[in-house]
Amino acid sequence: AQSVTQLDSHVSVSEGTPVLLRCNYSSSYSPSLFWYVQHPNKGLQLLLKYTSAATLVKGINGFEAEFKKSETSFHLTKPSAHMSDAAEYFCVVIAASLYNQGGKLIFGQGTELSVKP
Amino acid sequence: DAGITQSPRYKITETGRQVTLMCHQTWSHSYMFWYRQDLGHGLRLIYYSAAADITDKGEVPDGYVVSRSKTENFPLTLESATRSQTSVYFCASRLAGLTYEQYFGPGTRLTVT
Repeated sequence: AQSVTQLDSHVSVSEGTPVLLRCNYSSSYSPSLFWYVQHPNKGLQLLLKYTSAATLVKGINGFEAEFKKSETSFHLTKPSAHMSDAAEYFCVVIAASLYNQGGKLIFGQGTELSVKP
Repeated sequence: DAGITQSPRYKITETGRQVTLMCHQTWSHSYMFWYRQDLGHGLRLIYYSAAADITDKGEVPDGYVVSRSKTENFPLTLESATRSQTSVYFCASRLAGLTYEQYFGPGTRLTVT
């Protein structure tokens, strides 16, 4: 069965410093992986996606993630944090099976990112 | 371009009442989904629909009913609301085929008293 584990429930960085949000996945198949962001009292917004093309994926707002099959990881990074990056981030894998409920998204538990001035 | 909208955004109801949450998308996406978000559980799939008149259960369907008579609408009904259904509900949609990314609405915060 597919699953994702976000290794940190909360990450705090200073504005202008790098961001690293860690995600490990478990999948029997070549997975489709996503990062979503949720700002307070807002819906979820797609940041980026990996679908077996390039292993380094660039997303919106300067975020990128690298798919590492050998490490089963899909960590999210950003070179320089901005105050507006403060939000909750979800690593997501697609349920890959013959009956996958329309492409059900399997969510990690989320990482809350705080950005200090 | 409105995208995907949900109404109401906030709702307070009493135990035992029926309540319907609305979801509307303007992209003509084939698939639509309902999730609930709870602390400690993340997002869980309630129901999904592959097309008009085709719906199926997700992980936590008990106590909920859906319908999809038109491609653009996917209402979620709580037949007899319970306190355990207090949650934030998100509707999402996606294209058919292998593009699996889903696009989410802004959510409905439901409180059952």
